[in-house]
Amino acid sequence: NAGVTQTPKFRVLKTGQSMTLLCAQDMNHEYMYWYRQDPGMGLRLIHYSVGEGTTAKGEVPDGYNVSRLKKQNFLLGLESAAPSQTSVYFCASSPLAGAGGTDTQYFGPGTRLTVL
Amino acid sequence: SQKIEQNSEALNIQEGKTATLTCNYTNYSPAYLQWYRQDPGRGPVFLLLIRENEKEKRKERLKVTFDTTLKQSLFHITASQPADSATYLCALDEQAGTALIFGKGTTLSVSS
Repeated sequence: NAGVTQTPKFRVLKTGQSMTLLCAQDMNHEYMYWYRQDPGMGLRLIHYSVGEGTTAKGEVPDGYNVSRLKKQNFLLGLESAAPSQTSVYFCASSPLAGAGGTDTQYFGPGTRLTVL
Repeated sequence: SQKIEQNSEALNIQEGKTATLTCNYTNYSPAYLQWYRQDPGRGPVFLLLIRENEKEKRKERLKVTFDTTLKQSLFHITASQPADSATYLCALDEQAGTALIFGKGTTLSVSS
């Protein structure tokens, strides 16, 4: 099993350009998440999904959109990139956390994005 | 507002000593708490989970305690090794079935 994979690993954009980050998981997990990690700020949740076709906003959703058309994929879009979106982006997935369950998360390797 | 604090950004210890990392939280009543390890340039990796009704959990050289009265978790690495050098993150569930809230992490450096 590959676990959680992210594409691309690195990207440089100019202000105003758009791009999509792809996250894929092969563990049949229900939940998927997008985080950004900045120095001194820790991991901050952008958007998450509790199942195919559903999405919800996290702590810092502005400037990003997401889609979960297939259970195994979670896409993060930047419609008009800004320098403030320079960051490392991590995708994660977790199995369905039922009663008494937990949402231990499995992370991808990250995408390093620079917006000039 | 909810808050998670890992009391120090960096911790330096000598090989063989016990490293103790602290995670404090306010305005939460978590059902469980998790600890993750993150190496430079990589995503976090799950280490241990402790539930609110558990006082202590162990895994090899790792030990986690959870005091819901003090709203604190301690993460211990005994007989530390240079390979234990990494950033350690604590995480709580804000409410059941929602995403985790992560602390900013403590970077541990173990020198030989």
